Amino acid sequence: GIQVEQSPPDLILQEGANSTLRCNFSDSVNNLQWFHQNPWGQLINLFYIPSGTKQNGRLSATTVATERYSLLYISSSQTTDSGVYFCAVGRNRDDKIIFGKGTRLHILP
Amino acid sequence: DSGVTQTPKHLITATGQRVTLRCSPRSGDLSVYWYQQSLDQGLQFLIQYYNGEERAKGNILERFSAQQFPDLHSELNLSSLELGDSALYFCASSMPGTGNYGYTFGSGTRLTVV
Repeated sequence: GIQVEQSPPDLILQEGANSTLRCNFSDSVNNLQWFHQNPWGQLINLFYIPSGTKQNGRLSATTVATERYSLLYISSSQTTDSGVYFCAVGRNRDDKIIFGKGTRLHILP
Repeated sequence: DSGVTQTPKHLITATGQRVTLRCSPRSGDLSVYWYQQSLDQGLQFLIQYYNGEERAKGNILERFSAQQFPDLHSELNLSSLELGDSALYFCASSMPGTGNYGYTFGSGTRLTVV
């Protein structure tokens, strides 16, 4: 099956800092999503982005499908950004998605 | 509220018992997915239903089964429970064919087997 690797595994930043999270995948995909799991366990969908670039407020994501990676950018971090960020991919658009192990982000006040 | 409803939120039960987890997808979503999240295994795909039919199966144990009903709600049945089944069980839904294949997750059911 498709392998998903996320880096870094852990990240500690001061409030206001910017960060880049990376997701590499081992095969071509037509479904790629980014999620944020907050400290209460809720999984929030940030982006559905199998290719191209999207922005939503302080967050943006870019997927380069031909090179099999995606990046999630967080600018001007806030303490509420803390949690685990997951990348998940699927071979086809309406397939199941496979999750990476996540990047744990801790924003210090 | 994400629009995906999971009940119960918490469940504590003894080894050997059977439990049923329930999921109501977001209005209009035809696909339902079940995932298990444990500390050592991360988020693991269990099973997918689309409009009442099983679409895909992951590493779901034989002791586990699921179904999707005509009203599109889904149930995950876990039987002969073992300590290792303790985990957070998530349901997600999506509406393939609309152009947005993003998943919406429920808040999960935390299962503790004692």
